[in-house]
Amino acid sequence: QMQLVQSGPEVKKPGTSVKVACKASGFSAVQWVRQARGQRLEWIGWIAVASGITNYAQNFQGRVTITWDMSTGTAYMVLSSLRSEDTAVYYCAAGYDGSGYLHWGQGTLVTVSS
Amino acid sequence: EIVLTQSPGTLSLSPGERATLSCRASQSVSSIYLGWYQQKPGQAPRLLIYGASSRATGIPDRFSGSGSGTDFTLTISRLEPEDFVVYYCQQYGSAPATFGQGTKVEIK
Repeated sequence: QMQLVQSGPEVKKPGTSVKVACKASGFSAVQWVRQARGQRLEWIGWIAVASGITNYAQNFQGRVTITWDMSTGTAYMVLSSLRSEDTAVYYCAAGYDGSGYLHWGQGTLVTVSS
Repeated sequence: EIVLTQSPGTLSLSPGERATLSCRASQSVSSIYLGWYQQKPGQAPRLLIYGASSRATGIPDRFSGSGSGTDFTLTISRLEPEDFVVYYCQQYGSAPATFGQGTKVEIK
């Protein structure tokens, strides 16, 4: 599997926003997933690369935006109004329709602390 | 939202034994969009099975998936030492996509 390349770790203050990048050219869909230390995987949202259609988990509605930059083959996830509970490793994963999410990024640690 | 419930939470077995992991959905899931992942400590998840029963590239044939509708199963025919980690199911055919809570396979 090809490993996707994500941007580096971030430390943010509560109430601010974070933008995480994921280089993922050549795939039909990209999803974002996060995992707090010792916790389960939590789905954040998804973008269909060709159409730009997005879908977000209810827990993140209004706080998350996923976009695709066709010129660089990079997906972005912006999470706003950060709180301490958003401290987690954020992963992107990409795949082709019907073939699952085979390719994953290395993860980006986002720490929210005052 | 489709809720996926994995059982058991923890499975205690010995190397060489057979492992059977369950993933039950709160409503019917299209088999095309049901996947299983393995996650080792400190690593990103790895896709094992997609479409409920198709092995992903490079996955050993001791891993197999089955099921349809609301009941899906991941079977590891003979546990190797590196298989004692955590497994998640995911459905991604019905928005929003969801993950199960995970099953940890530990050495007995």
